[in-house]
Amino acid sequence: DADVTQTPRNRITKTGKRIMLECSQTKGHDRMYWYRQDPGLGLRLIYYSFDVKDINKGEISDGYSVSRQAQAKFSLSLESAIPNQTALYFCATSDSRFMNTEAFFGQGTRLTVV
Amino acid sequence: RKEVEQDPGPFNVPEGATVAFNCTYSNSASQSFFWYRQDCRKEPKLLMSVYSSGNEDGRFTAQLNRASQYISLLIRDSKLSDSATYLCVVNMAAGGTSYGKLTFGQGTILTVHP
Repeated sequence: DADVTQTPRNRITKTGKRIMLECSQTKGHDRMYWYRQDPGLGLRLIYYSFDVKDINKGEISDGYSVSRQAQAKFSLSLESAIPNQTALYFCATSDSRFMNTEAFFGQGTRLTVV
Repeated sequence: RKEVEQDPGPFNVPEGATVAFNCTYSNSASQSFFWYRQDCRKEPKLLMSVYSSGNEDGRFTAQLNRASQYISLLIRDSKLSDSATYLCVVNMAAGGTSYGKLTFGQGTILTVHP
């Protein structure tokens, strides 16, 4: 089983619908991140969380919200999906105990908003 | 100015060639640096961390120049299997809410051909 699991892996939704992407991890890491990836733009940070009670906006948080329900779970919501939110979404985790901490990624969620 | 910038390429090189990628970052207080590799439609995976003294892992050499705020990745004796997107990643320094925020460059596409 993957250490970082994202569900769903693929999703097609209609404009205006609410959708939630879920991420769970078994690595015991305190830090979790949500990124989106668009062609030619690399990975852009949406939200990140350093602990259950800590939520921080990234560079492109508008139109998104997150919830850190437990240390192992970090969900991303699109309250009212729009077509330019069509992208590949990645969840990642890292361990704050180490400076050169590696980030581990889920396999990604491919979201299409029509 | 973007926090982390890379030449997006693409770089097309023959097998056996040496190729170098550069990456610049804007925050002089950044603490740690990495190169990730991403295969098509897959999640990014750590290739190597970048240390101040420079470090080597087989055919791969990473260097950091703090004064000029750039990092580099050198690949010697390129293989077909090196074809991928290479992502520069910077971990922002301690202090404020930016500590531990992993910021990605837009990625450099490498294609190695026979």
